Amino acid sequence: GENVEQHPSTLSVQEGDSAVIKCTYSDSASNYFPWYKQELGKRPQLIIDIRSNVGEKKDQRIAVTLNKTAKHFSLHITETQPEDSAVYFCAPLIQGAQKLVFGQGTRLTINP
Amino acid sequence: GAVVSQHPSWVICKSGTSVKIECRSLDFQATTMFWYRQFPKQSLMLMATSNEGSKATYEQGVEKDKFLINHASLTLSTLTVTSAHPEDSSFYICSARGLFPDEQYFGPGTRLTVT
Repeated sequence: GENVEQHPSTLSVQEGDSAVIKCTYSDSASNYFPWYKQELGKRPQLIIDIRSNVGEKKDQRIAVTLNKTAKHFSLHITETQPEDSAVYFCAPLIQGAQKLVFGQGTRLTINP
Repeated sequence: GAVVSQHPSWVICKSGTSVKIECRSLDFQATTMFWYRQFPKQSLMLMATSNEGSKATYEQGVEKDKFLINHASLTLSTLTVTSAHPEDSSFYICSARGLFPDEQYFGPGTRLTVT
């Protein structure tokens, strides 16, 4: 079956510092790799995604890097701000079943 | 564009009763919708994939007779929790797929509390 591992489970950083969250997956056919941000009681919100034809994508303070050979992708947040505090999920698309499989989540806390 | 709504946003029901949750794609047609369940401080777990006009595909361990899914139109899927128990209390989230497999739009979720 599909295996998605996300690390770390919790991450606390000082405001202004960078945060990195890593996601490993098992389906070598996956070709779509999104990251979601979820605030308490709200729906998951897509913040950035990458497809397997590129290795890195950046959107202002957020970036995603992909290593398809090693089957992992990472979320990078620079110049963190208090509003970045939330739970972040990776959810690679399982190609055969055409479904997203969510990682366990990372609770990110930005300390002012 | 690509708005998905859910109704109700929260519901409290008594043990043994049934409750229906609706998921609607408001400005696009969704041939496929997904139902997730999220317990406190846990991840989203896919319960089932719902295809318009056909039977839903349930994930392993999800009781299809307990969680009834109907996808009668291209804009509406419903999840009915039958004979609800307190352990069914959870946050239920639907998503609707757009034209491409990687386009998924999430509803705001429904918080179910069974007393």
